[in-house]
Amino acid sequence: GAGVSQSPSNKVTEKGKDVELRCDPISGHTALYWYRQRLGQGLEFLIYFQGNSAPDKSGLPSDRFSAERTGESVSTLTIQRTQQEDSAVYLCASSPTTLAANTGELFFGEGSRLTVL
Amino acid sequence: AQKITQTQPGMFVQEKEAVTLDCTYDTSDPSYGLFWYKQPSSGEMIFLIYQGSYDQQNATEGRYSLNFQKARKSANLVISASQLGDSAMYFCAMRGTQISSGSARQLTFGSGTQLTVLP
Repeated sequence: GAGVSQSPSNKVTEKGKDVELRCDPISGHTALYWYRQRLGQGLEFLIYFQGNSAPDKSGLPSDRFSAERTGESVSTLTIQRTQQEDSAVYLCASSPTTLAANTGELFFGEGSRLTVL
Repeated sequence: AQKITQTQPGMFVQEKEAVTLDCTYDTSDPSYGLFWYKQPSSGEMIFLIYQGSYDQQNATEGRYSLNFQKARKSANLVISASQLGDSAMYFCAMRGTQISSGSARQLTFGSGTQLTVLP
């Protein structure tokens, strides 16, 4: 597709269940980001992938959160043993490059809204 | 560490009027980029405008302009001739250039300003 695609768009789960969120970046984009946006708040950085380099996991809030990406393709964000505070919109973004501040913007998907009951 | 501060949780503007959304930042990076994004109620993040810290002129994109005051560390967004479709959440963001600290790897976002355009 032309843009960043995320699925599911909405997910309702029970506390304690595991969830997987998927992101399909723009073809050819080497950088992929996951952000979390709680209701009415800004975006919190979670994790970043750049090509085949080791991911930057510095934003993951706990060891219940993990993410994978194979090469420059699809990424999966997994949240284990979900808690109510995990309820948020999870946004994925991709970018063709990231090594200079004057490169272009991030291209965002429409997000996956997670509700933990 | 980088920090973006948006002190206006909500703003109202009359249709066809201009509005300024405030953004201040803090960074130790010698060069950096500043971005503004728009997030309508549908949720997607739409890139609006970019300003490089060493750019000599303030960035402009159509009705959007960025009032960049480097000494004050501010990067305010000015929207001229507001339209009803401008009603949305607006986020200021920055990216540094330090590979070692990670500031080059991610955009750091402010908490946003909810803009409502009144007919």
